[in-house]
Amino acid sequence: DVKVTQSSRYLVKRTGEKVFLECVQDMDHENMFWYRQDPGLGLRLIYFSYDVKMKEKGDIPEGYSVSREKKERFSLILESASTNQTSMYLCASSEGGTGRPEAFFGQGTRLTVV
Amino acid sequence: GQQLNQSPQSMFIQEGEDVSMNCTSSSIFNTWLWYKQDPGEGPVLLIALYKAGELTSNGRLTAQFGITRKDSFLNISASIPSDVGIYFCAGQRNFGNEKLTFGTGTRLTIIP
Repeated sequence: DVKVTQSSRYLVKRTGEKVFLECVQDMDHENMFWYRQDPGLGLRLIYFSYDVKMKEKGDIPEGYSVSREKKERFSLILESASTNQTSMYLCASSEGGTGRPEAFFGQGTRLTVV
Repeated sequence: GQQLNQSPQSMFIQEGEDVSMNCTSSSIFNTWLWYKQDPGEGPVLLIALYKAGELTSNGRLTAQFGITRKDSFLNISASIPSDVGIYFCAGQRNFGNEKLTFGTGTRLTIIP
């Protein structure tokens, strides 16, 4: 089974802190994604990566950056956390290329910025 | 970004009832996926559909890829308490390395 693991289930950070959310997948997937989920807004794509050291902006990249130094790991960085970034963050991976499009999700990180 | 139209937004049903939900788009999709998200967890893939007209089951769940390729349906028969959660559809328009488009979700609640 594909396993996508997010480093924390719950995080509480202060406004202005730099926050790192880590995600690791164990299925040699090419693609990795970061979404945020807020009530009534569904899943919104923040950033995605099709390969190591590659990244592309999603629908709501402002206030975020990402890093993919190794194929299995995709990090989401909040440069200076703000209260409006309080949300559920979901990492996902998929095969990529001409492979199957199904995305597999981690368990989520619920971030609270105070 | 675009989101798929998913309905209903929420459902309140009694245990044992059947459930139907659907997902529609103005664009043609080549792949339809259905996910379930338990409270506080990440979405889990339930069913994947790859051909127009395809009907696929996973236990009490049955999903269909609409003939027009612009919609998909999910049915749950004889609902049980563990069916509670949010159900998402997702689609991919083109084969290859294109990211998924997600629906807004259907929240299922079972009334005791």
